[in-house]
Parts: sequence; structure tokens; C-alpha cells
Amino acid sequence: QQPVQSPQAVILREGEDAVINCSSSKALYSVHWYRQKHGEAPVFLMILLKGGEQKGHEKISASFNEKKQQSSLYLTASQLSYSGTYFCGTEIQAGTALIFGKGTTLSVSS
Amino acid sequence: EADIYQTPRYLVIGTGKKITLECSQTMGHDKMYWYQQDPGMELHLIHYSYGVNSTEKGDLSSESTVSRIRTEHFPLTLESARPSHTSQYLCASRRTGGTGELFFGEGSRLTVL
Repeated sequence: QQPVQSPQAVILREGEDAVINCSSSKALYSVHWYRQKHGEAPVFLMILLKGGEQKGHEKISASFNEKKQQSSLYLTASQLSYSGTYFCGTEIQAGTALIFGKGTTLSVSS
Repeated sequence: EADIYQTPRYLVIGTGKKITLECSQTMGHDKMYWYQQDPGMELHLIHYSYGVNSTEKGDLSSESTVSRIRTEHFPLTLESARPSHTSQYLCASRRTGGTGELFFGEGSRLTVL
């Protein structure tokens, strides 16, 4: 039931782009994306709902392919502040508990 | 800013002790959750609650127990702590019918010697 994230880690220079994928073997109601910096709590980025549109947040956007049960997080023109671990969380029905993937560690250097 | 609080933030105790990790939220959220996370590792769901007097076990088997007597309070208890319980415990909450966003507390880092 745990979603599968890839890649496990990404190393970027400032200004480069990255894509993080999250896939599930089960039909999903929603996919959440969170970022966690070292020593801090995870912070919500965005939620993609079944039948919903692609979301965006500044230079971070995401999509949800219902046919493949796969979501992708797009980080454009990365900044140092983007460094951290990105988790996708999946929900199989509205209101059920979120199950998180293993995370993708993103390191952005100058 | 999230209004969800966890205490203690850090706890070092000996094996066999009983401990309770407190979690409180002032947002009136009906759903609350406990996740266990080892440093740099994934978040494992160990308990959740959909409202007062409702508690369920999560995907990761845990020897801890929880209670939900009040909407705002969701404490986690370990009757007899062991070194294998050493981890960070994150509490989270959200509201039915809201945006779906999970609000996390700062976490309680437990070390059992």
C-alpha cells in the first residue's frame, strides 16, 4: 500500500530542474506532497485530487495521472531553499489516513 | 502557522519506564495521527483517530497505545519503554472537509537507554 518514490536522491546546482515521481499500485483519491528540512516537521506543499487539475506553487508544480496512479513533482530553477526531503502521501478514499513514501532527498548547491 | 503542540520535545529515559507523549491542537480538527520517523527515514503511520472515542492502528505495528477523549488531545503511551522504541514521534491533524492538508507538530524525540 505504501507509494513508491523515485529517485531516492537528487543533487542539483542552483537553477537546475528536477522531477520526483510517486506511484501507487492502488487507485487513489488524492496525492499530497510535503517537504521536510533537517530537524523540522514536514510542511505541506500541495494536494492533487482525483479528477483535479495540475497544481502549482511558485516554481514548484505537480501533476496526477489517474490512469497510471502516478504523481510527479516538478521543481523548476531550483533554489538553495528547495533542499530537503520530499515525501508523497497517498489517500485511497477521502478522509482516510495518509500513507507516505520513503522520501526523496534533494540537495541544491550554489 | 499550525497550532499543534507536542511535549516533550526531547526525552531520554531508561528501559521499562512508562511514558506519555502529549499532542494537542487548537484548530478544532477532528482527525489526528501519530507517525514514527527514524532520522532521515520514512514516516510510518502508527495510530490515527477520526474523532472522539475513535482510535485505529496504523500500518506499522507499534506497542504504543493512544486515546482520544477530547477533540483537541491525542496522547500516545508506552507502558514499558525499550531501546527499540527510540525514534521521533510526529503528531498531525487535519479537518474533514477542509483542504486535506496535514498539519504536523514539531515532534517528540525519544531515546530509551
